[in-house]
Amino acid sequence: QVQLVQSGAEVKKPGSSVKVSCKASGGTFDSNAISWLRQAPGQGLEWMGGIVPIYETSNYAPRFEGRVTMTADKSTNTAYMEVSGLTSEDTAVYYCAREEVSGNYMAGRSAMDVWGRGTMVTVSS
Amino acid sequence: IVLTQSPGTLSLSPGESAILSCRASQIISSNYFAWYQQKPGQAPRLLMNGASKRATGIPDRFSGSGSRTDFTLTISRLEPEDFAVYYCQQYGSALVTFGGGTKVEIK
Repeated sequence: QVQLVQSGAEVKKPGSSVKVSCKASGGTFDSNAISWLRQAPGQGLEWMGGIVPIYETSNYAPRFEGRVTMTADKSTNTAYMEVSGLTSEDTAVYYCAREEVSGNYMAGRSAMDVWGRGTMVTVSS
Repeated sequence: IVLTQSPGTLSLSPGESAILSCRASQIISSNYFAWYQQKPGQAPRLLMNGASKRATGIPDRFSGSGSRTDFTLTISRLEPEDFAVYYCQQYGSALVTFGGGTKVEIK
């Protein structure tokens, strides 16, 4: 069973950028989409967007469009998410998750059956 | 699509049943609806997709139902490991959204 291994916690200054990685271990992405979500402290889940590595397509939630970039390296089965212009409101745990149904051209079209353990990003001056 | 979960908190004893509700602001195909469980410090875990299909390894005390705008997750005979936060999710529109969560706590 594939597992998703995320990069470690980050502490960033306001206005800077952060790049989080998500590597498939014990398998590959195949043709499944990888979604990125975040969860602010004590809050619920928010979908940010996703990428389908095999098709090199990405789509974003409107509020993150232009500030978030999702990429993937098929050779290493690693997905990346970069957030720019960080503010304190971006302090959250960021998750990557594999979408269950394969073959979708866009992310956000399936439930998420495999999750990374999360990456804590703290934005503080 | 806004998903509203109720109640916010459910206080129950082990062995009791839990009924969690999720109401959508627009009609959703049940094919594009899921439930997740999240325990403190852990990532969410997929419980149900397609509104009523249990994910791999999910015990049959979990069941889901509903259609259009009203969906329900029922947990019969609560086990100690079932006390957690539960989220509903829809992925039938261009923007994936989650409900605010229902916390099932030990009474």
